Amino acid sequence: QVQLVQSGAEVKKPGASVKVSCKASGYTFTTYAISWVRQAPGQGLEWMGWISAYNGNTNYAQELQGRVTITTDTATSTAYLELRSLRSDDTAVYYCARDSGKFDSWGQGTLVTVSS
Amino acid sequence: DIQMTQSPSSLSASVGDRVTVTCRASQSINTYLNWYQQKPGKAPKLLIYAASTLQSGVPSRFSGSGSGTDFTLTINSLQPEDFATYYCQQSYITPRTFGQGTRVEIK
Repeated sequence: QVQLVQSGAEVKKPGASVKVSCKASGYTFTTYAISWVRQAPGQGLEWMGWISAYNGNTNYAQELQGRVTITTDTATSTAYLELRSLRSDDTAVYYCARDSGKFDSWGQGTLVTVSS
Repeated sequence: DIQMTQSPSSLSASVGDRVTVTCRASQSINTYLNWYQQKPGKAPKLLIYAASTLQSGVPSRFSGSGSGTDFTLTINSLQPEDFATYYCQQSYITPRTFGQGTRVEIK
């Protein structure tokens, strides 16, 4: 069955960077895109960006441009989200999701806490 | 960006009730509309895609309708496990925007 397994929780100081991984299994990795979605405490879902696992094309939310990079390693079927210049309002649970227009499988979420 | 607006933001209902959640897009998205259910501390779960297609394994009491700018999620005969937050999301263009969510609570 399709599974997305994310890396563990992170605690970072303001200004630092974080890199979260998402390892896919149960399907051919390069036939789907991966999107990243975050959810601040008590808030709704925010789409961050998308990568085609086939050709590496990316698209990012405008408000995160310049701070976010999404990459893949097709050899290990893993997607990565890097967020730089962290601020306190980046504190959130970060999810990866298999993207075919619909997000039909999700990772378990990774809590990133930004605190001094 | 396409704005997605859900209503209501929350509702109280009883087991067995029929519940309707609406989602409006700021411009036409054809039927590129998906619905998710999220329970506390869990990842969202896809319920319906392409406005009205039930995801495999989702109970038939869930249904979706609409096209263009106005969409509806209906839960027939609400069950205890259906108390959760529901989100719509458009997949017409990027950024793939979500509605703000509708929390379904026990009356």
